[in-house]
Amino acid sequence: AQKVTQAQTEISVVEKEDVTLDCVYETRDTTYYLFWYKQPPSGELVFLIRRNSFDEQNEISGRYSWNFQKSTSSFNFTITASQVVDSAVYFCALSGVSNFGNEKLTFGTGTRLTIIP
Amino acid sequence: NAGVTQTPKFRILKIGQSMTLQCAQDMNHNYMYWYRQDPGMGLKLIYYSVGAGITDKGEVPNGYNVSRSTTEDFPLRLELAAPSQTSVYFCASSPHRSEQYFGPGTRLTVT
Repeated sequence: AQKVTQAQTEISVVEKEDVTLDCVYETRDTTYYLFWYKQPPSGELVFLIRRNSFDEQNEISGRYSWNFQKSTSSFNFTITASQVVDSAVYFCALSGVSNFGNEKLTFGTGTRLTIIP
Repeated sequence: NAGVTQTPKFRILKIGQSMTLQCAQDMNHNYMYWYRQDPGMGLKLIYYSVGAGITDKGEVPNGYNVSRSTTEDFPLRLELAAPSQTSVYFCASSPHRSEQYFGPGTRLTVT
């Protein structure tokens, strides 16, 4: 069975501070994918990043960066110099493989991030 | 491209009523999914499809049915609605082995 744990239910930081959202996963698959999605107050789900299990390189995209460590089964997300627009619920997700070979996503329960102006 | 569209945006049902949530995508994706999101929780997979005519159960399929007669459409049917089905429903699509693209969601209340 697959599992994604986001232990931080809610985080509040003052604007311009850096913040890291934690994600720990469990899987018996040797090939898998990890994802981060953003859900702003408007409710839609916005894809942020996909990482496959064979690529442990960290990734940076503007103010966002991701740290993938297989040794600790973690895929953490850092926002640098946070802005009010970053306020949202952030979900970490893990892909499984169905009978047909496609991924089924297992989501964590999300971290609600509030940026205080 | 409109992406993934869902109708209706909001709906209130009485216990025991039935309805169909519509989902369509114009990206020619083979894979489509239905999730529900309960308050304060992540998304849970209800059903998914890998192509027209092929569907399979997800984590929480009880009380729901799906069909996939075309690549574009993936409707979700609720029979005999129950209060436990009050949730936000998201449809998603993806090409093979790629990220999923989500629709805007349908907020359903069963009273």
